[in-house]
Amino acid sequence: DIQLTQSPSFLSASVGDRVTITCRASQGISSYLAWNQQKPGKAPKLLIYAASTLQSGVPSRFSGSGSGTEFTLTISSLQPEDFATYYCQQFNSYPLTFGGGTKVEIK
Amino acid sequence: EVQLVESGGDLVQPGGSLRLSCAASGFTFSDHYMDWVRQAPGKGLEWVGRIRNKANSYTTEYAASVKGRFTISRDDSKNSLYLQMNSLKTEDTAVYYCARSLNRSGRNFFDYWGQGTLVTVSS
Repeated sequence: DIQLTQSPSFLSASVGDRVTITCRASQGISSYLAWNQQKPGKAPKLLIYAASTLQSGVPSRFSGSGSGTEFTLTISSLQPEDFATYYCQQFNSYPLTFGGGTKVEIK
Repeated sequence: EVQLVESGGDLVQPGGSLRLSCAASGFTFSDHYMDWVRQAPGKGLEWVGRIRNKANSYTTEYAASVKGRFTISRDDSKNSLYLQMNSLKTEDTAVYYCARSLNRSGRNFFDYWGQGTLVTVSS
């Protein structure tokens, strides 16, 4: 199974900050990685797929990069509605797996 | 507008069975692979399994933790996805989400999620 390790697991930041979350895969997954956002009590929402393609309707302050085993999600200027938990997920091979999540909280 | 609405979650005893449903609308259901993903209380996301479309013979994939106990099926005429869960264990307690899969570059990823339904396994 492909393990995805996210760091940090918890992040405290202020509105306007630039935030970067890293996801490392235990083996190469090409660009078959997605990023999802989840707010408390809500379903996850797709932000980015294929490592760097922004899902329709997602603000351009979100961006993704990487390939192989190392990936990043960047929020260029954190907004109040961005405080949530973020999960990376690989769709290269079965079983599909998720990272452990990064909780972004208000400083 | 794509909508996925799960139902069927309940309190069930260990060893029991439960069937979840997911009603889809706003897209051509029969074209898409569909998945189930779960989330235990206060925990992260765990993929449960997938069913492919008719063009791919409705074949299925499962996580090792549920293989042999859970069965995914679909009824394209009703735009519905199902998850039959047997021999339930306390560790199956979770919110269960159905998710639509979209194919890009030969791989399928989740682009829309339902709101989830809670399954509690407890005596």
